[in-house]
Amino acid sequence: DVVMTQTPVSLSVSLGGQTSISCRSSQSLVHSDGNTYLYWYLQKPGQLPQLLIYKVSNRFSGVPDRFSGSGSGTDFTLKISRVEPEDLGVYYCYQGTHYPRTFGGGTKLELK
Amino acid sequence: QVRLKESGPRLVQPSQTLSVTCTVSGFSVTSYHVSWVRQPPGKGLEWVGAIWKGGSTDYNSALKSRLSISRDTSKNQVFLKMNSLQTDDTGTYYCAKHSTVGFDYWGQGVMVTVSS
Repeated sequence: DVVMTQTPVSLSVSLGGQTSISCRSSQSLVHSDGNTYLYWYLQKPGQLPQLLIYKVSNRFSGVPDRFSGSGSGTDFTLKISRVEPEDLGVYYCYQGTHYPRTFGGGTKLELK
Repeated sequence: QVRLKESGPRLVQPSQTLSVTCTVSGFSVTSYHVSWVRQPPGKGLEWVGAIWKGGSTDYNSALKSRLSISRDTSKNQVFLKMNSLQTDDTGTYYCAKHSTVGFDYWGQGVMVTVSS
């Protein structure tokens, strides 16, 4: 199975600041069709997970441009700029390239 | 309007079988894939398995021997069955709709406690 390793496990940021989360996969996430099926989700406290980024760098509908995804192969990053209170929660990466699908362990974003 | 709703028992005894139903509306389970994702209390998300729009299934490797996912296309329902439940199977079980951009809709989840 593909292991998704997220770092750090938790992160403290100031409102208005910038931060990034790393996600590394144990195998390349490049699919035979040429796409890289790496996604980012945010689960706010007491809420359902919500899709932020699909296929590495594409923002889902309604996601502010403060969120950006990058990376390739096995190494991916989610950057959040101008952090706002509603950005707090747990971020998960997820791979949809290999079977079985797998999530990262999560990164908790808190206020400093 | 897309909706997914999980239903099932809140309490299951150890070694028994869990059966959860995901009833969907606003889309057809023959047109979109549906996954099951679970989350133990205070912990992260774990992909449990999926039924693809064509009807085939895939499962989490660690759960595969205990797990079955099926569907009733006439009722637009997806079913999860997991046997030999243990206390570490306690958690919230979600069904989620796949689109080309990922899991775009989630059910509210059903909290299942495994306890005698």
